[in-house]
Amino acid sequence: NAGVTQTPKFRVLKTGQSMTLLCAQDMNHEYMYWYRQDPGMGLRLIHYSVGEGTTAKGEVPDGYNVSRLKKQNFLLGLESAAPSQTSVYFCASRPSGEETQYFGPGTRLLVL
Amino acid sequence: KNQVEQSPQSLIILEGKNCTLQCNYTVSPFSNLRWYKQDTGRGPVSLTIMTFSENTKSNGRYTATLDADTKQSSLHITASQLSDSASYICVVRATSGTYKYIFGTGTRLKVLA
Repeated sequence: NAGVTQTPKFRVLKTGQSMTLLCAQDMNHEYMYWYRQDPGMGLRLIHYSVGEGTTAKGEVPDGYNVSRLKKQNFLLGLESAAPSQTSVYFCASRPSGEETQYFGPGTRLLVL
Repeated sequence: KNQVEQSPQSLIILEGKNCTLQCNYTVSPFSNLRWYKQDTGRGPVSLTIMTFSENTKSNGRYTATLDADTKQSSLHITASQLSDSASYICVVRATSGTYKYIFGTGTRLKVLA
């Protein structure tokens, strides 16, 4: 099992550009999450999904969109990147009935 | 407001020494508290989880304690190793509210040879 993988590992964007971060899990988990991690702050939830075809807003959803067309994939989109979105993005998944979240290795995003 | 605060922010110890990390929370009611280890450049990995009715849980050299009355938890690391160098994050799961997982800012531990 590869667990949770994230693509890309690192990306540099210019303000206004768009991009999609891909999260994939091969553990058949129902729940998937996107977080951002900034210096001096705890992980903050951007969006999450409780199953294929469903998504919901988290704590800091503005400027991001998500889709979960397939159970194993959770995509995070930035339509018009801003410097404030410079961060490390983590995807996580967990099975229903279990509390442990399994995190991916992260995507480091720099918006200039 | 639900919050999780960790102390110290950073800590440097010598290999072989013990250390204790603190987590204070205001989340109420809550269902469980978890400690994660995050190596540099990696995602967090779960170390221990405790429900509100448990007061201690061990995982090898890691022992977590929980005092639900004072809303405090600690993570004790015994006989530290160089590989323990990482950030340790306390996460409290609330039983109500929209954002159920409240993450602390973490304690960065550096173990020196």
